[in-house]
Amino acid sequence: QQQVKQSPQSLIVQKGGISIINCAYENTAFDYFPWYQQFPGKGPALLIAIRPDVSEKKEGRFTISFNKSAKQFSLHIMDSQPGDSATYFCAAADKTSGSRLTFGEGTQLTVNP
Amino acid sequence: GAVVSQHPSWVICKSGTSVKIECRSLDFQATTMFWYRQFPKQSLMLMATSNEGSKATYEQGVEKDKFLINHASLTLSTLTVTSAHPEDSSFYICSAEIAGGFYEQYFGPGTRLTVT
Repeated sequence: QQQVKQSPQSLIVQKGGISIINCAYENTAFDYFPWYQQFPGKGPALLIAIRPDVSEKKEGRFTISFNKSAKQFSLHIMDSQPGDSATYFCAAADKTSGSRLTFGEGTQLTVNP
Repeated sequence: GAVVSQHPSWVICKSGTSVKIECRSLDFQATTMFWYRQFPKQSLMLMATSNEGSKATYEQGVEKDKFLINHASLTLSTLTVTSAHPEDSSFYICSAEIAGGFYEQYFGPGTRLTVT
């Protein structure tokens, strides 16, 4: 199974700081890279997604940076807030597998007040 | 927009009984829906992919006779856990891909199943 490796497993950031979560993939056919946010007992919510024709996408405080040659992408959360405390999952999809998402292992983010 | 609902949000059933979970896309049509299972502090595990009007495609290791999936319309898919056992206790989450949305998937709120 194609893998997406996510790091770190857990992250603690102070309020106002920048949270950075990284993902690396192997399958060069991946052409869609979303990030999901999940609160305990809830389903994941689509935060932001990028396609490989751009190197960066920003939506509010959330930015995806994409490095095609390194096969890596990352999520940056600027001005992190306690309400951002959640589990974040990166994922990837490619046409050969339909629209099936391959998920990373998840990162537990805690933003301290 | 892009809201997916699941019903019930939690269910407790006795071992040996069957449980049906509904997944609905409320404000869009979904040609493809997905069913996931998630254990505590773990990632999402894809169980099956269902397309409207056709048989579901199950991931390796998922018993299709135990986890029955029906995608009856462009807005409704159901997962039935048959003859449930305690090891089937888990958090079940569906997602729906917007028709023509090029991979864009939206997830339901999940269903917590406890089998006693």
